[in-house]
Amino acid sequence: QKEVEQDPGPLSVPEGAIVSLNCTYSNSAFQYFMWYRQYSRKGPELLMYTYSSGNKEDGRFTAQVDKSSKYISLFIRDSQPSDSATYLCAMSKGNSGYALNFGKGTSLLVTP
Amino acid sequence: GAGVSQSPSNKVTEKGKDVELRCDPISGHTALYWYRQSLGQGLEFLIYFQGNSAPDKSGLPSDRFSAERTGGSVSTLTIQRTQQEDSAVYLCASSADRGRIGELFFGEGSRLTVL
Repeated sequence: QKEVEQDPGPLSVPEGAIVSLNCTYSNSAFQYFMWYRQYSRKGPELLMYTYSSGNKEDGRFTAQVDKSSKYISLFIRDSQPSDSATYLCAMSKGNSGYALNFGKGTSLLVTP
Repeated sequence: GAGVSQSPSNKVTEKGKDVELRCDPISGHTALYWYRQSLGQGLEFLIYFQGNSAPDKSGLPSDRFSAERTGGSVSTLTIQRTQQEDSAVYLCASSADRGRIGELFFGEGSRLTVL
């Protein structure tokens, strides 16, 4: 079993919908949680970063971490066609220098 | 340059040949990472450099894979005697010492196809 599980999708939603993306993990040593966005044939870029349980909001994006359930989510409000990309969750066990463990990524398509 | 630069962007090679992939990180970034992204497999960690040393090379899949970094800057990933299962996108990333934990800046990758 991989340490980080993520449904690959694809997920297709109409413009304006609320999108929910999720990952589960098995290793309680993970302390830092990130969401990366990857457009086709590009490298991933950091979208959201959280530490510990709770919510973090940035514009239309909300990242949620539930360490007791080992479950993290990314919500996208008022989704736009430009949000169409692959979203990868990532986790780290500690300070810089620890490799990130990535999920497989969920492919999202927002249709006009 | 402004971002992480990787070359070549595409490489097609025959099984058994050696390949070298190059990464030029963001200036001043001391940490450098190599990841591999295969279809449907997500990002697989290969090796991490801090300066010129590699404290974590646990992800290198076999002894055919090696990497080095010189001058605390450019890194080269070498794959010897390539196999078809080596076909993937090889992504390089760098990060700053005082940046946010987990904030890696990725290049656009080197797409390797082994025939």
